[in-house]
Amino acid sequence: DSGVTQTPKHLITATGQRVTLRCSPRSGDLSVYWYQQSLDQGLQFLIQYYNGEERAKGNILERFSAQQFPDLHSELNLSSLELGDSALYFCASSLSLTHQPDTQYFGPGTRLTVL
Amino acid sequence: DAKTTQPNSMESNEEEPVHLPCNHSTISGTDYIHWYRQLPSQGPEYVIHGLTSNVNNRMASLAIAEDRKSSTLILHRATLRDAAVYYCILSPKNSGGSNYKLTFGKGTLLTVNP
Repeated sequence: DSGVTQTPKHLITATGQRVTLRCSPRSGDLSVYWYQQSLDQGLQFLIQYYNGEERAKGNILERFSAQQFPDLHSELNLSSLELGDSALYFCASSLSLTHQPDTQYFGPGTRLTVL
Repeated sequence: DAKTTQPNSMESNEEEPVHLPCNHSTISGTDYIHWYRQLPSQGPEYVIHGLTSNVNNRMASLAIAEDRKSSTLILHRATLRDAAVYYCILSPKNSGGSNYKLTFGKGTLLTVNP
């Protein structure tokens, strides 16, 4: 158990819909990362937040957005869903930006299926 | 990000040592070498990291070539629970910016035979 929790574990929805994935980082961790894992693209970094602020963006679509709240949990919002958005979405957390190197601890993931 | 090259797959027998290679010929002097693994149906899991010297922890050992252009993850006695995809990842040492994302390649699928 990494200490990172993600809900829900599974999500099935239809094209065009909007969903929210939730992540609670390990106690004390200030950074949260979101990754997407699909069969054709592998594991890809989406976005990073540190202490409530966006710090880095990867291959995140404009239809996707995220935020980190004052209690440090994070949400990833996916809208206008397409079939190709079906994937595993992982959240990871790490201690801080100044702790080097910053080991990331991954949650169990949310499996999103878009029908 | 500097690129790493790993074999697509490797096979081992239970209780035997496993040496998983990684080539990173374009590594910069300040890049850390990380290894993560992903067990079936789970999120990636940190294994070990190093900069210049060989490293040991309870999970594995990391042997880094003198020129740092390659490294080897060593599992001293493979168990069935070590069957996973192993990722070798480089990350830059930086002064507190935003370069902490992990860039995953395809990794090495390790099969452990009983």
